Amino acid sequence: TQLLEQSPQFLSIQEGENLTVYCNSSSVFSSLQWYRQEPGEGPVLLVTVVTGGEVKKLKRLTFQFGDARKDSSLHITAAQPGDTGLYLCAGLDNNAGNMLTFGGGTRLMVKP
Amino acid sequence: DVKVTQSSRYLVKRTGEKVFLECVQDMDHENMFWYRQDPGLGLRLIYFSYDVKMKEKGDIPEGYSVSREKKERFSLILESASTNQTSMYLCASRFQGGTEAFFGQGTRLTVV
Repeated sequence: TQLLEQSPQFLSIQEGENLTVYCNSSSVFSSLQWYRQEPGEGPVLLVTVVTGGEVKKLKRLTFQFGDARKDSSLHITAAQPGDTGLYLCAGLDNNAGNMLTFGGGTRLMVKP
Repeated sequence: DVKVTQSSRYLVKRTGEKVFLECVQDMDHENMFWYRQDPGLGLRLIYFSYDVKMKEKGDIPEGYSVSREKKERFSLILESASTNQTSMYLCASRFQGGTEAFFGQGTRLTVV
């Protein structure tokens, strides 16, 4: 079974601060996804990174896929209260029917 | 607009009861999934279905069964509910060969 470890598990910061969330594995993935889940809702896809070394930006969010396609990071610049939520990374394995393996999640709270 | 709907947001059941969780999607997706979500453990796959009347065990199928008689509907059945099945249950769907999973809003099940 492939495993994805996310760190930190919890993060509480003030509005305006920067933060980075990490997603690590010993396995290689075909691609990696980041989802955000708000309380009482299901996860919603933010981004998919496919190529080793790829960097994608979504406004204040920057996603990076490691060169070896085993790890990823999510960096948020100038966090806002609206960024509060649970961030989940998920690895996709083309050799296993595109099955998704989820990390444990990072719960982010941004205080005004 | 893409829609995955789970029949209940909150459910309280007694130990030993048979429990049905229903999920319906309106996107004509072939693949459907049931996950359970527990703090720090991320999403763990219970069962999935590639298409109508097809089902495959995920990582934690014990104590659960599923039914997919129609393409749009995927039901999760707890044959005899136990307290360790208290959890958030999430249904998801996606196109065959696709990468993005669309989630329902979740059902928080409490077994007392």
